[in-house]
Amino acid sequence: GAVVSQHPSWVICKSGTSVKIECRSLDFQATTMFWYRQFPKQSLMLMATSNEGSKATYEQGVEKDKFLINHASLTLSTLTVTSAHPEDSSFYICSARAQRGVSYNEQFFGPGTRLTVL
Amino acid sequence: AQRVTQPEKLLSVFKGAPVELKCNYSYSGSPELFWYVQYSRQRLQLLLRHISRESIKGFTADLNKGETSFHLKKPFAQEEDSAMYYCALLSVGGYNKLIFGAGTRLAVHP
Repeated sequence: GAVVSQHPSWVICKSGTSVKIECRSLDFQATTMFWYRQFPKQSLMLMATSNEGSKATYEQGVEKDKFLINHASLTLSTLTVTSAHPEDSSFYICSARAQRGVSYNEQFFGPGTRLTVL
Repeated sequence: AQRVTQPEKLLSVFKGAPVELKCNYSYSGSPELFWYVQYSRQRLQLLLRHISRESIKGFTADLNKGETSFHLKKPFAQEEDSAMYYCALLSVGGYNKLIFGAGTRLAVHP
């Protein structure tokens, strides 16, 4: 149980276009999901916390107008990179937090989405 | 400030040798700490959390509040243990986000 999927697993786009990445919790409900960015051989950098039915909470230095987050249901959060530029190329990872039970507060991670902006 | 420090970027050992991956934290209050592992081309997954006091794949970690440490240990490393290991601290309040350390790459050689 506790599987998180991401779609797509990789995407290549042209500079100036927008890209949407989906994060789904497949077998549990998650009122809170997290979006991270990971550069090669580096740790995860938290970008924002996605909350079902409310606005996302962004970390300092992350542009909310650049990285649009929507958490429309208890099993789906989306990250849209608007007007993407080559510097946005990265590995984007989402996680969903277990709300109850023995896994309370454990985060379950998606496989990641590799974005390449040409 | 809430912070997790993993001082070693790379730890290289031979198969069968003991392993200790260091993690120190800075947190006011009672911390909740985790070790996550990322094998090559796989997603991040929980290895263990201090409140469960389990031993997973032969790994253990003890919370030492006096030294503010949560080092990960294994008495005999295996080649399949080669991976990136991340120590994480739960930042309570708000949405309970995780604060990750920089990670340590463990390389176990035959």
